[in-house]
Amino acid sequence: AQSVAQPEDQVNVAEGNPLTVKCTYSVSGNPYLFWYVQYPNRGLQFLLKYITGDNLVKGSYGFEAEFNKSQTSFHLKKPSALVSDSALYFCAVRDMPYDYKLSFGAGTTVTVRA
Amino acid sequence: GAGVSQSPRYKVAKRGQDVALRCDPISGHVSLFWYQQALGQGPEFLTYFQNEAQLDKSGLPSDRFFAERPEGSVSTLKIQRTQQEDSAVYLCASSLTGAENTEAFFGQGTRLTVV
Repeated sequence: AQSVAQPEDQVNVAEGNPLTVKCTYSVSGNPYLFWYVQYPNRGLQFLLKYITGDNLVKGSYGFEAEFNKSQTSFHLKKPSALVSDSALYFCAVRDMPYDYKLSFGAGTTVTVRA
Repeated sequence: GAGVSQSPRYKVAKRGQDVALRCDPISGHVSLFWYQQALGQGPEFLTYFQNEAQLDKSGLPSDRFFAERPEGSVSTLKIQRTQQEDSAVYLCASSLTGAENTEAFFGQGTRLTVV
């Protein structure tokens, strides 16, 4: 069975500072990892994914994430946060080859102050 | 349309009432998922279709929940005899293929409130 943990309910940063949202996972097979962002009254929007290959993955809106197999982590990062990045972020994992459904973490609320 | 469309956006149901939630996936997308998102939680898997075939319904919480996708495009999630614990946002997602490395695109969801 697969699971995802997002240890921080909230992350607060000042605009222009680096942003990190943490995610750890547990799978039986190989992890396919995803980050989604959710704005108020909006659906989940895909940011980036790790399937295989380079451990550093670049995605939409300047976000990137680093896959670390030894630490079973997939932290989301942005070098310089914007106020418009304030939203709810979800990490998700697909346990391959055993499953095709996504298992999500509980989410991390990011607030970027001006 | 350009994205996944769900209707209605909001639904208030009296306890015991039946409801039907509709999902229009992105045109041509093979895979379709339903998720349930309780307040303050991440989405939880309900069921999965590949074209018209329901390959996994292990996440449906009870036999009051039923989903169909008869022609391999539009899907309907039906909840019979709604209970207060069914109150949640129901999300639909679709992906282009059945390949596991493809990302899913989500609709805005239907917020169901059972009173």
